[in-house]
Amino acid sequence: QLQLQESGPGLVKPSETLSLTCTVSGGSISSSSYYWAWIRQPPGKGLEWIGSIYYSGSTYYNPSLKSRVTISVDTSKKQFSLKLSSVTAADTAVYYCARRDMVATNTFDYWGQGTLVTVSS
Amino acid sequence: QSVLTQPPSASGTPGQRVTISCSGSSSNIGTNIVNWYQHLPGTAPKLLIYSNNQRPSGVPDRFSGSKSGTSASLAISGLQSEDEADYYCSAWDDSLNGWLFGGGTKLTVL
Repeated sequence: QLQLQESGPGLVKPSETLSLTCTVSGGSISSSSYYWAWIRQPPGKGLEWIGSIYYSGSTYYNPSLKSRVTISVDTSKKQFSLKLSSVTAADTAVYYCARRDMVATNTFDYWGQGTLVTVSS
Repeated sequence: QSVLTQPPSASGTPGQRVTISCSGSSSNIGTNIVNWYQHLPGTAPKLLIYSNNQRPSGVPDRFSGSKSGTSASLAISGLQSEDEADYYCSAWDDSLNGWLFGGGTKLTVL
């Protein structure tokens, strides 16, 4: 059974860079059938797609966050990572990593449990 | 404000049928498939419906999805207490060139 697990600091200071890692287990991160994504949910609000990455390193980002986001992948470690720079309180959210199956469902079919990141001094 | 519009809340009694709507535009729902997720706070969101009306393995047939024009709906029949959760619609947006989610609907089983 595929599992995704987010990890990283739960507290980040304003203007600094938020860094999270998602570790994939129980399946391959290098399959041509999948993209890997970061999605967040601010407190009391809905879900927001941040960006996605292919195992080859190809990325695409939400235009509203593009200037501050970098997503990378390390296939040897079966991990992909998120960096969000110049954070503010508005970036406080539960951050999820997810798999997008491009073949069977063409959507996000597996998600991590999520990790809360608070931006505060 | 989400580009995909959902009612913030819905409710029903056990055994009832409830529907949750999701309204979009020609650049998202109008031309692309709609997916639905069930989310219990503190847990991983669960894919409930994909490609407008397809259920992943393991999802009861009490859950069904439909799409017409620039709107989509999720229907839950035979409502059960364990269906109490937040529900989100999602679709690709050709103008944004990215994925959109609705604002979410909190379903209460009375």
